[in-house]
Amino acid sequence: QITLKESGPTLVKPTQTLTLTCTFSGFSLITSGVGVGWIRQPPGKALEWLALIYWDDDKRYSPSLKSRLTVTKDTSKSQVVLTLTNMDPVDTATYYCARHILNGGYDAFDYWGQGTLVTVSS
Amino acid sequence: DIQMTQSPSSLSASIGDRVTITCQASQDISNSLNWYQQKPGKAPKLLIYVASNLETGVPSRFSGSGSGTDFTFTISSLQPEDIATYYCQQYDDFPLTFGGGTKVEIK
Repeated sequence: QITLKESGPTLVKPTQTLTLTCTFSGFSLITSGVGVGWIRQPPGKALEWLALIYWDDDKRYSPSLKSRLTVTKDTSKSQVVLTLTNMDPVDTATYYCARHILNGGYDAFDYWGQGTLVTVSS
Repeated sequence: DIQMTQSPSSLSASIGDRVTITCQASQDISNSLNWYQQKPGKAPKLLIYVASNLETGVPSRFSGSGSGTDFTFTISSLQPEDIATYYCQQYDDFPLTFGGGTKVEIK
C-alpha cells in the first residue's frame, strides 16, 4: 500500500522559513523513474506545482519560486523535505506531496498525500 | 511557461448527463496531458494519463481525448459521486502546469 503524508507547522509568520516533510511508504525513492513532488493550493484556488525530486537526485523547481525553494530527500527515512524561505501571506495554501512516476509515456502524480494547510500570518 | 486554459470554470448538470470539459495548451504539448479529480476537502486523484488512458480502477464513464493544443475530458453519464473539480496538467515541459479547474455540480 502506497501512502504519503505531509507534516510541518500549520502557522508561520511572514519572513519565516517553512519546512515541510513528506513521509512515504510502499515505494522507494531509489527506484528508477520514481520521484516525489510538491504541489500547493491556496484556499479556493487552483493547483500549483512547486518542486520535484527524482530517484537520481535530479531536482526541478517552479521558476517563479526557485530562489526560495529547496527540496531534498532522505531515502533511508523515506522522506522528502521542502523548504520555502521568506514566507508571505500569499503563500497560505494546502501543501501536497505526491509520488511522481516516469515510465515510458507515463508521467504523472499517481499517489497524493492528504495535504497540510499552512497559514502565513503574524 | 505553458499555460493551460480550462473551460468552463464551472458547470451544472443532471445525473445521467454527458459532461464535457476542454483544456487548451498555449503551445503544442503532443499528448503530454493528465486529468485529475479533486473532491471537496480531498487530495487530487489521477484519472487520465497521456491524454486518453484510463488510470487503473477508474470507471469507464470517464474518458479523455485530444493532442497538440486541444484536449477534452468527458463523463459519459454523470453520477452523484462525480461532484468534484477537475484539473488538466501538462508535462511536456517544466514547469509543470495545471489548468484553472472545472467545478462540476449537480443541477
